[in-house]
Amino acid sequence: GENVEQHPSTLSVQEGDSAVIKCTYSDSASNYFPWYKQELGKGPQLIIDIRSNVGEKKDQRIAVTLNKTAKHFSLHITETQPEDSAVYFCAATLRSGGSNYKLTFGKGTLLTVNP
Amino acid sequence: DTAVSQTPKYLVTQMGNDKSIKCEQNLGHDTMYWYKQDSKKFLKIMFSYNNKELIINETVPNRFSPKSPDKAHLNLHINSLELGDSAVYFCASSHYRSVLHSGANVLTFGAGSRLTVL
Repeated sequence: GENVEQHPSTLSVQEGDSAVIKCTYSDSASNYFPWYKQELGKGPQLIIDIRSNVGEKKDQRIAVTLNKTAKHFSLHITETQPEDSAVYFCAATLRSGGSNYKLTFGKGTLLTVNP
Repeated sequence: DTAVSQTPKYLVTQMGNDKSIKCEQNLGHDTMYWYKQDSKKFLKIMFSYNNKELIINETVPNRFSPKSPDKAHLNLHINSLELGDSAVYFCASSHYRSVLHSGANVLTFGAGSRLTVL
């Protein structure tokens, strides 16, 4: 099974409300946790990331929190707008044999912001 | 200028055919990737190349053969296409070979190539 789990798979909020997406990972050696936003017909685009030596990071309306002990991290979007509607992916670095590491993605959350 | 460009954007073909998808990046990155996104939007890594050297090869059927003529290009050739190969294939690039070594490996994705096998 996958090593990065993401919930919920779909999320619908009213414009102006907050949205929270949660992820857990399995590899305790993971030290980098990015979030990507994928709009319809486009490739995923990095929106925010956090490293394991930081517990929280904020960039305007988006923030990410990390709990290394519990191996989970979350994306918070405040004051949501219709243009925030997209699929959001969390990711974590996981071992890929030997000393190689790869970025492994969660299954994605379809966020819909209703005007 | 498009940072990571893939061609073609759409590809419709019959089962059993052989097809290729091309990718080029002009970011000066040294690592390139192929990801497959299925109908449920699940993004799964297939291959990773660093300076033309294959470094990640997930359990992908050997009908899929990546080729990197130089560090700015990574092409994907698929033989004997099957219905289950239908997906969107994303090329991506980044600066560093080992994510942990770099501490932060930011991927830049192309717009995707939608492959439909009939």
